[in-house]
Parts: sequence; C-alpha cells; structure tokens
Amino acid sequence: AQSVAQPEDQVNVAEGNPLTVKCTYSVSGNPYLFWYVQYPNRGLQFLLKYITGDNLVKGSYGFEAEFNKSQTSFHLKKPSALVSDSALYFCAVFSGGYNKLIFGAGTRLAVHP
Amino acid sequence: DTGVSQDPRHKITKRGQNVTFRCDPISEHNRLYWYRQTLGQGPEFLTYFQNEAQLEKSRLLSDRFSAERPKGSFSTLEIQRTEQGDSAMYLCASSSTRGNTEAFFGQGTRLTVV
Repeated sequence: AQSVAQPEDQVNVAEGNPLTVKCTYSVSGNPYLFWYVQYPNRGLQFLLKYITGDNLVKGSYGFEAEFNKSQTSFHLKKPSALVSDSALYFCAVFSGGYNKLIFGAGTRLAVHP
Repeated sequence: DTGVSQDPRHKITKRGQNVTFRCDPISEHNRLYWYRQTLGQGPEFLTYFQNEAQLEKSRLLSDRFSAERPKGSFSTLEIQRTEQGDSAMYLCASSSTRGNTEAFFGQGTRLTVV
C-alpha cells in the first residue's frame, strides 16, 4: 500500500537559518511526490513536485526538495527561513494509477524571529 | 477562472440534518477529488471523478455520503443525517490527466455539526 510518513510533528527554526522538513514514502513503481503548504483555515497550496529527472527540484517561495530513491525520502528544504514560512506542510504521493494523492500527517513549521 | 472554488466556506448544522457542498474546479481540469481533513491530520481521500464518472470511493465514505458530478464540471458532496463525527474541513481539488499535473485545492468547507 502507498504511504507517506512525516516523522516530525513540529519543526522549530530561527529566522535566517536553514530549514528541513522530512518526508519518507512507500510506493510501488516510480513515485510522483509533492509538497503542499497550508495556512490557518485555508486550503492546500502547491509548493513543488518530483516526477522525473533532476533529484533536486525547486518550487515556490524559495523552497526546494531532494528526491533520494535509495532512502525513499523527499525532504523539503529552504536555505534561509522566514517568519512568514510558519505553516503546516504536507508531503504527498500519487498512488498507483495516479488516482489519488496520499498525504502524510503534516509537519508544523514554526519560524521564530 | 482563477482556481478551485468551494461553497459555502462554513456550515453549522444540527445533528441529523442534511448538508450539501459545492465545488467548482478549474475549468480545463477533468479530474476532481474530495478530501476530508480533521484538526491536526492530513487530508483523507474520499472520492474522485474523471469527467462525470465517479471512479473510486474510499471506505471512509459511508452510505450517508454521496457525491455527484453530473456534467463533468462542478461537483456536489451531500451528507445525510449528519453526525458530530462528520465535523471536519471538506476539501475539493482538481487536476488534469494531461502531463500528470499537480492537484489544485479549494479553500475548503468547514462543517460543524452541533
């Protein structure tokens, strides 16, 4: 069965420092991987995706993610965190046949001034 | 068309009442999804349409839930005889089958059953 794990409920980082939000996945076949961000009482906003090609993908708001096939990971990164990055972040994978996105439980990112 | 639109944004209903939510996807998207999200959890898949055909339903979707997409455009999600456990954010998303693009989400409908 397809699944996504986000091992950290919350990540705390100081403004200006690099941030990493972790994600590992389990899927049969080639994974299609996504990161979404959610602000309070809002829907999910797409950040970036990995389909194929370069393992390092760049997305919105300066975020990037690195696909690592051997570790089945797709960690989200940003070189310098902003207070405005504080939100809930979800990793997701398309299940077989691309019928639906399977989401992780989410990681709350708190960036402190 | 600037994105996925959901209506209403908030709904408070008494237990036992029926409620219906509407989703208008991005116009050129042929896939439409419904998800449910409870506080502190990731979105859980409920059902998905390709054009007007409902191709998959989650086991989470009890007999009290029904979804339609009659003309392959907008969709409705109806919950009959609501229960307090139905209180959640209901999210709609759409995507295109061309190029395996990402799904775009609406802002959700927050349902509170009292």
